[in-house]
Amino acid sequence: NAGVTQTPKFQVLKTGQSMTLQCAQDMNHEYMSWYRQDPGMGLRLIHYSVGAGITDQGEVPNGYNVSRSTTEDFPLRLLSAAPSQTSVYFCASMFWDSPDGYTFGSGTRLTVV
Amino acid sequence: GQQVMQIPQYQHVQEGEDFTTYCNSSTTLSNIQWYKQRPGGHPVFLIQLVKSGEVKKQKRLTFQFGEAKKNSSLHITATQTTDVGTYFCAVAGGTSYGKLTFGQGTILTVHP
Repeated sequence: NAGVTQTPKFQVLKTGQSMTLQCAQDMNHEYMSWYRQDPGMGLRLIHYSVGAGITDQGEVPNGYNVSRSTTEDFPLRLLSAAPSQTSVYFCASMFWDSPDGYTFGSGTRLTVV
Repeated sequence: GQQVMQIPQYQHVQEGEDFTTYCNSSTTLSNIQWYKQRPGGHPVFLIQLVKSGEVKKQKRLTFQFGEAKKNSSLHITATQTTDVGTYFCAVAGGTSYGKLTFGQGTILTVHP
């Protein structure tokens, strides 16, 4: 049972480049979410999904796209990277209305230069 | 979206002292969750509170949900160096537990 797996762990991009952060979970969780974490700002929700084929925007969705074609995978796409997107990105998953909260991946540290 | 204020932002304690962090909302909450993040790590779920006035304990950690369901606290008795990290509260948007908004966190430093 691997839990939530995020790849890559580290990435450096040039401004304007695009890339996809991968997230996969093997717990059959319905909910999946992407958060970004910046110093002093806690965790901010980018996009989330309540199941395959269903996604919605969070607090800071601009510049990011998501899709959920399977229960297991929830990739986050950066369309045209900007320095403001330098952050640590966490993917998380949980069962519908679970009392056990979110299980987080280990994160992707992204630097945009 | 749902907003929650967490205080204090930082707390420095001597090992053995107690520690408390608070989360406050201007609106009634359906539930509140607490997470811990060790330095360089990822958030780890601690507990969820859903009932008015609820109190839950995990060893030296005591979690409370206010009677009006607008505030919550996490209290650690006799801190240890292993308690170092950032403690976050998180609240659900609407009636769904999945869309969580996190507080800014309290960074706890424990001096041996």
